Amino acid sequence: ETGVTQSPTHLIKTRGQQVTLRCSSQSGHNTVSWYQQALGQGPQFIFQYYREEENGRGNFPPRFSGLQFPNYSSELNVNALELDDSALYLCASSLTSGGRGGADTQYFGPGTRLTVL
Amino acid sequence: AQSVTQLGSHVSVSEGALVLLRCNYSSSVPPYLFWYVQYPNQGLQLLLKYTTGATLVKGINGFEAEFKKSETSFHLTKPSAHMSDAAEYFCAINFNKFYFGSGTKLNVKP
Repeated sequence: ETGVTQSPTHLIKTRGQQVTLRCSSQSGHNTVSWYQQALGQGPQFIFQYYREEENGRGNFPPRFSGLQFPNYSSELNVNALELDDSALYLCASSLTSGGRGGADTQYFGPGTRLTVL
Repeated sequence: AQSVTQLGSHVSVSEGALVLLRCNYSSSVPPYLFWYVQYPNQGLQLLLKYTTGATLVKGINGFEAEFKKSETSFHLTKPSAHMSDAAEYFCAINFNKFYFGSGTKLNVKP
């Protein structure tokens, strides 16, 4: 069973640029969530996709956008990068079984470290 | 509103000593609670979770946590610390989305 993978591992961009981060879900999972983890802080929820549709969003501006593909892989796109976007971006996949979904365990990838100069 | 508070950003114990990492939550509905561990430069790994049923939950690597509704707590414990337990630990509550605490870094002294 393949776990959650993310690419690239590290990325350096300059302010104002755009970036795309990629995530491959664990086999059989239908839900993917993205988190931003700034240095010294806990992960902050960006958004979640369930069966290719956005299924919840945290307190992030519209320049953070995403996609989920039919094979349940996902992309996180960030436009007009700002210095404060420097962080570890984590992707997590889960198998949502319906209902409130809160009991579903999320399995995390190793993350992409984004540095904005 | 849902939130998680972890008391103590850094905890230091000696090898073989009891590990106690504190987590308090706020939730308007019965919570689903999780503990994750993060090793340097890695993603988060699930230690244990509470959904329903037995309030004492056992996880991997000898960790366990007890859900106490009256105290709105979900503290993580391990009877005897090992050097390999040094990592950062995150408590989280899940209500449609995960809310993580700010984390506790555990240092284990030889």
